[in-house]
Amino acid sequence: GAGVSQSPRYKVAKRGQDVALRCDPISGHVSLFWYQQALGQGPEFLTYFQNEAQLDKSGLPSDRFFAERPEGSVSTLKIQRTQQEDSAVYLCASSFRGGYGYTFGSGTRLTVV
Amino acid sequence: GENVEQHPSTLSVQEGDSAVIKCTYSDSASNYFPWYKQELGKRPQLIIDIRSNVGEKKDQRIAVTLNKTAKHFSLHITETQPEDSAVYFCAASGTSGTYKYIFGTGTRLKVLA
Repeated sequence: GAGVSQSPRYKVAKRGQDVALRCDPISGHVSLFWYQQALGQGPEFLTYFQNEAQLDKSGLPSDRFFAERPEGSVSTLKIQRTQQEDSAVYLCASSFRGGYGYTFGSGTRLTVV
Repeated sequence: GENVEQHPSTLSVQEGDSAVIKCTYSDSASNYFPWYKQELGKRPQLIIDIRSNVGEKKDQRIAVTLNKTAKHFSLHITETQPEDSAVYFCAASGTSGTYKYIFGTGTRLKVLA
């Protein structure tokens, strides 16, 4: 596609509910990234994929967070047993290869009530 | 740990004036420095970037300077226009590799007509 596509755009979850956030990167982009952006803050790194391999998951805040990219294209970020502190915008980005100048999607705004 | 400080947090300028946003980073291994512009509710968009082997880069009204010795880099916008109003984020690549960005906390720029 023309850009990085994320869905849903908005998600409201009750505390304790599981959620799944989808990212469709730019076609042909090998590298895919997830970031978390709290209100009024800069994005914070969560995890990085090169094709289907998750090369870095050091930013995932807890074992409730899980990301996958099974076929090296679409990626899903899953959050289990959501907590209020999980409320944030989750941004996905992709690049042709590596980390130079990657393109962000519009994000999913998650609100946990 | 890896850290990027960004100043000022807010900046108001008259249309036509220049704006300067400054960032410092902590990791001397950082070698790539992108700048992103984020309008309210929208995705961060890459506006300019610089690699560590270059001291300055220009693109029309936007320029970035880098001082590796001081671990300091700046964004300069000349002849500001109302459409430049947005939040600007600086970032530095982390120790793990170029793919992981450490973002500053953002500068909200207001250009007054």
